[in-house]
Amino acid sequence: TQLLEQSPQFLSIQEGENLTVYCNSSSVFSSLQWYRQEPGEGPVLLVTVVTGGEVKKLKRLTFQFGDARKDSSLHITAAQPGDTGLYLCAGGDFGNEKLTFGTGTRLTIIP
Amino acid sequence: KAGVTQTPRYLIKTRGQQVTLSCSPISGHRSVSWYQQTPGQGLQFLFEYFSETQRNKGNFPGRFSGRQFSNSRSEMNVSTLELGDSALYLCASSLSLLERGNGYTFGSGTRLTVV
Repeated sequence: TQLLEQSPQFLSIQEGENLTVYCNSSSVFSSLQWYRQEPGEGPVLLVTVVTGGEVKKLKRLTFQFGDARKDSSLHITAAQPGDTGLYLCAGGDFGNEKLTFGTGTRLTIIP
Repeated sequence: KAGVTQTPRYLIKTRGQQVTLSCSPISGHRSVSWYQQTPGQGLQFLFEYFSETQRNKGNFPGRFSGRQFSNSRSEMNVSTLELGDSALYLCASSLSLLERGNGYTFGSGTRLTVV
């Protein structure tokens, strides 16, 4: 069974600070996706990384896929209240349309 | 373009009843997946359909079933409801082959409460 552990589970920081969320597994994934979910809504895709060692930037968000394709990180620079939400990583299975979701990180940015 | 539409948004059912949830994917998306989200277990994969065929199934009992129609719309059914089935049920559509960088587009979900 593939498992994705995210850390920290909860994070509350002041506006303007930087933060990193981690997503770790003992399994290899074909791709790694990050989603953000707000209360009462479905998750929204932020990024997909498919190559080991790949780094993608989305404005103040930087995503990295580990060299061994087993882990990923999300770094947010100068966090803003609009970044508040549940962040989910999800690993893709080779040749399979199923995603394994991580345990989630609930982020709160305090104005 | 229209997003993924799930109906109904909220549902309250009694133990032992059955329920059918509906999902209309983004036009052109042929893959539809269903997930159950609960506070304790997070997002758990139920099943995935492509061109009316179930390609993948998660570890849920046979009370959970689904189907996909020729227009890619999908339904999932839960029979003999239990209290533990209370959850947010999410439908996601995608172009096939997630490993090529495609991602899911999720609907807003159906919040099912079993009393």
